[in-house]
Amino acid sequence: DAKTTQPNSMESNEEEPVHLPCNHSTISGTDYIHWYRQLPSQGPEYVIHGLTRNVNNRMASLAIAEDRKSSTLILHRATLRDAAVYYCILKRSSNTGKLIFGQGTTLQVKP
Amino acid sequence: DTEVTQTPKHLVMGMTNKKSLKCEQHMGHRAMYWYKQKAKKPPELMFVYSYEKLSINESVPSRFSPECPNSSLLNLHLHALQPEDSALYLCASSLRDPLRGPREQYFGPGTRLTVT
Repeated sequence: DAKTTQPNSMESNEEEPVHLPCNHSTISGTDYIHWYRQLPSQGPEYVIHGLTRNVNNRMASLAIAEDRKSSTLILHRATLRDAAVYYCILKRSSNTGKLIFGQGTTLQVKP
Repeated sequence: DTEVTQTPKHLVMGMTNKKSLKCEQHMGHRAMYWYKQKAKKPPELMFVYSYEKLSINESVPSRFSPECPNSSLLNLHLHALQPEDSALYLCASSLRDPLRGPREQYFGPGTRLTVT
């Protein structure tokens, strides 16, 4: 399975945008880029996913580099509730549903 | 209803005990998963069930025994565990798209297990 690399931690101020980077230089053509987050004392929560094009949903935006070797999760206005561990995961387009979590980025949001 | 429920929330068991963890979802999802998460580490996949059949076992020791009695329920039977098995056990489920396979996973809050 292809590996992702994320910064261990990031800080943001409340109500400012946050850009969470992820490198995946060994991504294959059939790998989808998924983002999950895990709030303290909760199970992980799906955020967004994409293949080649940038994606938007109510929670966040996903910007994917043209060569697909990196991506950025964008939270447009961070709130205190967004403080969590954010995981960037490559999921092969197959029938297994297998998710391999990396170490993730711990996001702190300051008031 | 987009909820995955897990019971119990907390469990303390001795190394000779037998206990079970329960997971339930009513979203019509036909893929269900067990993950193990140690403190300050990412979740690690243990088992995948697809249409109530075990499709992936990530070389998990036999003291962990999964069971999927129907499409809404997933159990994890525990027997003769070791203290190092203490962790948060997470259940998840996902819809199966006939063309794209399993979709995004919905996780429960987990069962925090302590083995003494």
